[in-house]
Amino acid sequence: KQEVTQIPAALSVPEGENLVLNCSFTDSAIYNLQWFRQDPGKGLTSLLLIQSSQREQTSGRLNASLDKSSGRSTLYIAASQPGDSATYLCAVQTGANNLFFGTGTRLTVIP
Amino acid sequence: SAVISQKPSRDICQRGTSLTIQCQVDSQVTMMFWYRQQPGQSLTLIATANQGSEATYESGFVIDKFPISRPNLTFSTLTVSNMSPEDSSIYLCSVDDTSTDTQYFGPGTRLTVL
Repeated sequence: KQEVTQIPAALSVPEGENLVLNCSFTDSAIYNLQWFRQDPGKGLTSLLLIQSSQREQTSGRLNASLDKSSGRSTLYIAASQPGDSATYLCAVQTGANNLFFGTGTRLTVIP
Repeated sequence: SAVISQKPSRDICQRGTSLTIQCQVDSQVTMMFWYRQQPGQSLTLIATANQGSEATYESGFVIDKFPISRPNLTFSTLTVSNMSPEDSSIYLCSVDDTSTDTQYFGPGTRLTVL
């Protein structure tokens, strides 16, 4: 069974700092990997999706990379802002309906 | 993209009662998914709801405990039956945009069982 791990579980950084969140998965046979942010009371918002054939995706200050063979992905956030404070989840899709989530990294950006 | 709403947003319930959670999508979708997020845990898929057929449940989840309705292509309900404190979780519905493989989630229903 696919297992997804995120490190660290929590992270506090001062505003303006660049940071990296890590995600690892045990089975490299994935269709895609998705990064979400979760805000209290607002559900999950999709940030970036990387297909299994891709190496990275970028959106604004966010860059996600995927190394499928080693079972790893990183989410890079540049010039962090207090509004980036949220829980970040990665999820891998292994089949039509099979989306496996990590437990998330709770990010706090200190003004 | 899809916009998803859920009702109620939160509830506090007594042990042994049942709660029905509603999920409404602003577009027609073939499949809707129900997830549970227990405190401090990752999201776990409960079941997949197709319109016009029985829901498909994941290992560890059964229809008697989590009956699901899917009366049309924009709406679904999940009932949490005979609740116990262990059912205290956030319940989320989601849909899959098959053109982009992106999943969209509702805001969630935070359930507390006393």
